[in-house]
Amino acid sequence: DGGITQSPKYLFRKEGQNVTLSCEQNLNHDAMYWYRQDPGQGLRLIYYSQIVNDFQKGDIAEGYSVSREKKESFPLTVTSAQKNPTAFYLCASSAGSSGRGYEQYFGPGTRLTVT
Amino acid sequence: KNEVEQSPQNLTAQEGEFITINCSYSVGISALHWLQQHPGGGIVSLFMLSSGKKKHGRLIATINIQEKHSSLHITASHPRDSAVYICAVSPWGSGTYKYIFGTGTRLKVLA
Repeated sequence: DGGITQSPKYLFRKEGQNVTLSCEQNLNHDAMYWYRQDPGQGLRLIYYSQIVNDFQKGDIAEGYSVSREKKESFPLTVTSAQKNPTAFYLCASSAGSSGRGYEQYFGPGTRLTVT
Repeated sequence: KNEVEQSPQNLTAQEGEFITINCSYSVGISALHWLQQHPGGGIVSLFMLSSGKKKHGRLIATINIQEKHSSLHITASHPRDSAVYICAVSPWGSGTYKYIFGTGTRLKVLA
């Protein structure tokens, strides 16, 4: 089955620790995205990548870092510099070309709690 | 003002009612998307529209490009339709495939 996997579903960390969230897709999509969602809020874009070895900051990139060494993988690191890291994190991918390429497919999300 | 506005923000309906959720946007778009987010958090794409109307089961989505407006209708609503419905647009000419999201409509259907 093609899709996007995120692991783990729930993650707990102590303040001051970096943590890496996994996102893998087997849809052969070129573009991948990371979003953050806070309770009762909309989705906000953290980083996106349109091609391997390239990525751009989204609207709220401060305190986060990413890498895109492989087409199928786009891990997100939440660093200790992120002031309010507790949130729900969603990864998505899209084919990255016109037509249905606009359509994003979402992973199940990781709920991160930092205390 | 947000580039994508949804209304209403919250909606409670009785089972069987006809439901309409509205989305207005202020940018030129290549496509408009309706997404569904269930309480567990996962997001599913319901429709991608660039013109006209699409239907899938009890769900109907329409778009008026001239008026920059889209509606999502749910016929014969059911408690399992309870979710957050999100409108998102793919802006034209942005050079990327990013979405601009609305803030969502929280729907609760009572049995």
